[in-house]
Amino acid sequence: EAQVTQNPRYLITVTGKKLTVTCSQNMNHEYMSWYRQDPGLGLRQIYYSMNVEVTDKGDVPEGYKVSRKEKRNFPLILESPSPNQTSLYFCASSLHRSNEKLFFGSGTQLSVL
Amino acid sequence: AQKVTQAQTEISVVEKEDVTLDCVYETRDTTYYLFWYKQPPSGELVFLIRRNSFDEQNEISGRYSWNFQKSTSSFNFTITASQVVDSAVYFCALSDPPYRGYSTLTFGKGTMLLVSP
Repeated sequence: EAQVTQNPRYLITVTGKKLTVTCSQNMNHEYMSWYRQDPGLGLRQIYYSMNVEVTDKGDVPEGYKVSRKEKRNFPLILESPSPNQTSLYFCASSLHRSNEKLFFGSGTQLSVL
Repeated sequence: AQKVTQAQTEISVVEKEDVTLDCVYETRDTTYYLFWYKQPPSGELVFLIRRNSFDEQNEISGRYSWNFQKSTSSFNFTITASQVVDSAVYFCALSDPPYRGYSTLTFGKGTMLLVSP
């Protein structure tokens, strides 16, 4: 089954404790991206990747890192999480670019205490 | 910079009513792509439609229809004879031209639609 898999689904952590949210797709998609969803703000793009070893900042990249060492994986790294990074995070992928249909993961609800 | 405005934060209707969700966008590009995504209460995001800037034909898919008007920079979404299962948050989004060296997607803040029985 074609899908984007995010883990974990829920995560509670404390300020400053490094964490990684994993994202994997099995559709051989080139384009992958991360979004955060906050009440009243909608979805905002954090980072995206147009292919292996090609990543770029979205609208709200501060406090986040990403890597794209393999085509299928696009982890989101919070090296020193802060409470303002409490949010619902979505990973997404498409065949080539953002102007194509995006397939989304199920989301990761992160709480930073 | 691209911008998408969904002025309606929340809409409540009774089942079988028609409802239109507004989307207004801003871009300096002549080539761009517009989308609608649905987020039901379960939380996943579901693709509904993609439209490029050169195709101004309205589209109908069952009870769903989309009205793209370049002159007013709008891409509105109408649900005819709404049903309880249509209750969700709906997002409009705008993408860059495909020839750019970068590729971003800008979402509106979403409209929450509540359909009551």
